[in-house]
Amino acid sequence: EAQVTQNPRYLITVTGKKLTVTCSQNMNHEYMSWYRQDPGLGLRQIYYSMNVEVTDKGDVPEGYKVSRKEKRNFPLILESPSPNQTSLYFCASRSPFTNNYGYTFGSGTRLTVV
Amino acid sequence: GENVEQHPSTLSVQEGDSAVIKCTYSDSASNYFPWYKQELGKRPQLIIDIRSNVGEKKDQRIAVTLNKTAKHFSLHITETQPEDSAVYFCAASIDRGSTLGRLYFGRGTQLTVWP
Repeated sequence: EAQVTQNPRYLITVTGKKLTVTCSQNMNHEYMSWYRQDPGLGLRQIYYSMNVEVTDKGDVPEGYKVSRKEKRNFPLILESPSPNQTSLYFCASRSPFTNNYGYTFGSGTRLTVV
Repeated sequence: GENVEQHPSTLSVQEGDSAVIKCTYSDSASNYFPWYKQELGKRPQLIIDIRSNVGEKKDQRIAVTLNKTAKHFSLHITETQPEDSAVYFCAASIDRGSTLGRLYFGRGTQLTVWP
């Protein structure tokens, strides 16, 4: 089944403790992206990647890192999480070589930083 | 960068009525406009999209219209049903052939359909 897989689905952590949220897609998509979703603010892009080893900042990149060493994986790293990073995170991928150009989203990761 | 504005932020309709959600965009080069539906606790899912060379697209009870001159596009849902209740997001991007641009989202519309 074509999908974007995020892990974990839920995570509670403490301030300052480094964490990684994994994202993997099995559709050979070139373009991957991370969004955070907060009430009233919609979906805000954190980072995106147009292909392997090509990443760029979105609208809210502060406090996050990403890497794209393989086409299928695009992990999101929080080196020193803070409470204002408590949010719902979505990974998504898309490709120009499919019937539509829309994103396929992962199931989301609900992160709480205390 | 692109700025996408979406209205209204909340919309309540009676079952069977129509619902219209409107979005405007700022960059006239934008050429791809998808709509996503997000049910409570779920991921956003693509429901319909339109490219700038088309003025309207329909899929059963949903349709999207695009006015490039005015830089706005709209989602139309006819004969609404309670299961249409969700948050709807519009988005816009500049895609050039095999090079995809950033997808910019509106802030979402909470649609509630009352039985």
